[in-house]
Amino acid sequence: NAGVTQTPKFQVLKTGQSMTLQCAQDMNHEYMSWYRQDPGMGLRLIHYSVGAGITDQGEVPNGYNVSRSTTEDFPLRLLSAAPSQTSVYFCASTPFGGPYEQYFGPGTRLTVT
Amino acid sequence: GENVEQHPSTLSVQEGDSAVIKCTYSDSASNYFPWYKQELGKRPQLIIDIRSNVGEKKDQRIAVTLNKTAKHFSLHITETQPEDSAVYFCAPYTGNQFYFGTGTSLTVIP
Repeated sequence: NAGVTQTPKFQVLKTGQSMTLQCAQDMNHEYMSWYRQDPGMGLRLIHYSVGAGITDQGEVPNGYNVSRSTTEDFPLRLLSAAPSQTSVYFCASTPFGGPYEQYFGPGTRLTVT
Repeated sequence: GENVEQHPSTLSVQEGDSAVIKCTYSDSASNYFPWYKQELGKRPQLIIDIRSNVGEKKDQRIAVTLNKTAKHFSLHITETQPEDSAVYFCAPYTGNQFYFGTGTSLTVIP
């Protein structure tokens, strides 16, 4: 099993550009989530999904969109990048119905100039 | 939502000593209490967790205790080793969401 994978590992964007961060898992987990981690802070939840076709907002959803068309994939879209979105982004998955351990991807380091 | 506080924010201990990190939360409906370890440049990884019907859980040198009445749970690391140096996060779960604390940077001095 590859576990949770994320692409790209690094990305530099200019203000106003859009992009999609990819996240995939091969563990058949229903629950997937996106976090951002800023220096000196914990992980803050952006959006999460409890199954295909179902998404919900977390603590810091503004400026981000998600969709969940399959169990495996949960992409995060930045609509119009801003310097405040410079951060490390982690995707995670867990079996739903628990709660249980979250498995994290390796992260994407995003810089917006 | 949940209000999570984690203390201390930094902790230095001599190798072989014990370390304790405390996490307080606000939502009495929280029912799952994990601790994650994150090494520099790496992803968070679960080290121990506890559910609301259990007061204490131990796994070798690591233990977690839960006080639901007072709404706090603590991570205990005994016989610390240099490889325990990392940032530790609590992440209580409620309402389909995990709420992460701001982290404790633990340094174990050889």
